[in-house]
Amino acid sequence: QSALTQPASVSGSPGQSITISCTGASSDVGGYNYVSWYQQHPGKAPKLMIYDVTNRPSGVSNRFSGSKSGNTASLTISGLQAEDEADYYCSSYTSSSTWLFGGGTKLTVL
Amino acid sequence: QLQLQESGPGLVKPSETLSLTCTVSGGSISSSSHYWGWIRQPPGKGLEWMGSIYYSGSTYYNPSLKSRVTISVDTSKNQFSLKLSSVTAADTAVYYCAGLTMVRGSNWFGPWGQGTLVIVSS
Repeated sequence: QSALTQPASVSGSPGQSITISCTGASSDVGGYNYVSWYQQHPGKAPKLMIYDVTNRPSGVSNRFSGSKSGNTASLTISGLQAEDEADYYCSSYTSSSTWLFGGGTKLTVL
Repeated sequence: QLQLQESGPGLVKPSETLSLTCTVSGGSISSSSHYWGWIRQPPGKGLEWMGSIYYSGSTYYNPSLKSRVTISVDTSKNQFSLKLSSVTAADTAVYYCAGLTMVRGSNWFGPWGQGTLVIVSS
């Protein structure tokens, strides 16, 4: 199984909005609403930011939002802040009862 | 609050078997709301799901690793374990244990252990 496709890097200035895409197939992203997003700072374990495509866990800023269209899911961060600089990974359940991660996107806050 | 902690050797020789254990605290590994699994991350690279297990023993493995991976659970110790056989340098990575929370039709990876670096080298 191949990893979900994410851009290697994105950047934005403080206060701006950015969107990270996560492209899969009808057998994973497109077929299930089980897409989640994780934030990872250097040397730390990943942290859940979005689950089930659009849901935000308690404690996660409402600046983070998720969506999906067809086989592509997206994470949008609005009002960029310096602490948002991190790596972001998407994940999806698949029709083979397995889970896939994306290759990761490095977010740089300029 | 559930917490997970990995333990095991930080150095494994090529061709040998990597063995790690994850201890679950703050709750029962026999929870109906969780699968338990392993996710690894080679240095400077992305996350890779290796496999997951339910407390009953049902397992799901990454097809690319299936021939080398075994995940088991010990409910009496509130632990689950990973064995990866015939390791090579490509298996050098930070290994995370993580709960796969499945409630009310939702699922996500969490909580996570802090991760443990395993280096494959002679």
